[in-house]
Amino acid sequence: NAGVTQTPKFRVLKTGQSMTLLCAQDMNHEYMYWYRQDPGMGLRLIHYSVGEGTTAKGEVPDGYNVSRLKKQNFLLGLESAAPSQTSVYFCASSYSSLSGNTIYFGEGSWLTVV
Amino acid sequence: SQQGEEDPQALSIQEGENATMNCSYKTSINNLQWYRQNSGRGLVHLILIRSNEREKHSGRLRVTLDTSKKSSSLLITASRAADTASYFCATGTSGSARQLTFGSGTQLTVLP
Repeated sequence: NAGVTQTPKFRVLKTGQSMTLLCAQDMNHEYMYWYRQDPGMGLRLIHYSVGEGTTAKGEVPDGYNVSRLKKQNFLLGLESAAPSQTSVYFCASSYSSLSGNTIYFGEGSWLTVV
Repeated sequence: SQQGEEDPQALSIQEGENATMNCSYKTSINNLQWYRQNSGRGLVHLILIRSNEREKHSGRLRVTLDTSKKSSSLLITASRAADTASYFCATGTSGSARQLTFGSGTQLTVLP
């Protein structure tokens, strides 16, 4: 009963390096999301996907790219990491896009950019 | 931009006491959800209340919603040390889940 799984859990990057965060869900959810969580800021939506092969921008998309090649996976990429991208990243999924549906979260990925 | 704002930012109580957290928001909503986050973990959904509901219960949780005041409260009764966590409200406007906006949370500490 894995739910939403994120890898890696921790990563330290140098400014300018690139990396990809992988998210996998086993609940057959159509909708997937990437959030970032910063102290005092709550969670902010980076990008989301309403189905396989689709992606859309959220509140803070700059500096990130995403791909949803398979329904169960949602990848978040940082092409050229910046210190401002130091944050905790959460992947999430839901059955429906309706805001009245429960969102299921992964355990988070801690990223530090030095 | 944050829609929901929790109050207080931090709350410390003794085990057995009740804990009340408040959430205020600015624009009309379709629903309001409360989530819990243990330290170093992901968020877990607790309860959802729709805009046409005034009160909802789930175990030791009681949520109220006052749309005229644009506010909600989460009451945890008979608190336990295991309730120590951050609690977030998330407001949903009509339509897409991309409109679900999280507040910055209340850090609850329950002392044994």
